Amino acid sequence: GDSVTQMEGPVTLSEEAFLTINCTYTATGYPSLFWYVQYPGEGLQLLLKATKADDKGSNKGFEATYRKETTSFHLEKGSVQVSDSAVYFCALSDLYGNNRLAFGKGNQVVVIP
Amino acid sequence: GAGVSQTPSNKVTEKGKYVELRCDPISGHTALYWYRQSLGQGPEFLIYFQGTGAADDSGLPNDRFFAVRPEGSVSTLKIQRTERGDSAVYLCASSLTRGETNIQYFGAGTRLSVL
Repeated sequence: GDSVTQMEGPVTLSEEAFLTINCTYTATGYPSLFWYVQYPGEGLQLLLKATKADDKGSNKGFEATYRKETTSFHLEKGSVQVSDSAVYFCALSDLYGNNRLAFGKGNQVVVIP
Repeated sequence: GAGVSQTPSNKVTEKGKYVELRCDPISGHTALYWYRQSLGQGPEFLIYFQGTGAADDSGLPNDRFFAVRPEGSVSTLKIQRTERGDSAVYLCASSLTRGETNIQYFGAGTRLSVL
């Protein structure tokens, strides 16, 4: 079935550093891809999305490009802030099927002042 | 309300007991989803409603789990004869419908602890 793989382990970095979180997927058909974020004590929020190959999703300084040739959707931010500390989940869905989301395991990001 | 509301926020029960978890979706959203998130894992799909009917219940782990949405709005996830392995955060999400404009909005979840 459809699945998402995220890089292992938490990510700790200093404020203003460059952030990359890797995400690869396996899917039949042409899924849509998402990054969700979970801030401490809050529910999951959509961060950005891309619905077809070569689309770039962006929001709050974060970007991710849908790469069909490498089946990837890596998340990047050029200069992180302490407020970006959260858990980040990569996910996919078939928007024209039942739209169920398949999530990766998530990555805890800790930004140190 | 403005967002997806889930009650209770925390539920502690004993092994073998019955529990009900409630989800109140965003007004007007026809699609409703339940997910389960175990510690250190991403959410896993349980069941999807389109209106009143369960369009896909393939994620329910066994027949102890059941969900209803009788009037196409509020949904209840029911777990019979709870086991310690059922301990997790149960998430509900709703969306307007399927298709490209569809975005799922999540509630804060119900943390279930089975002792």
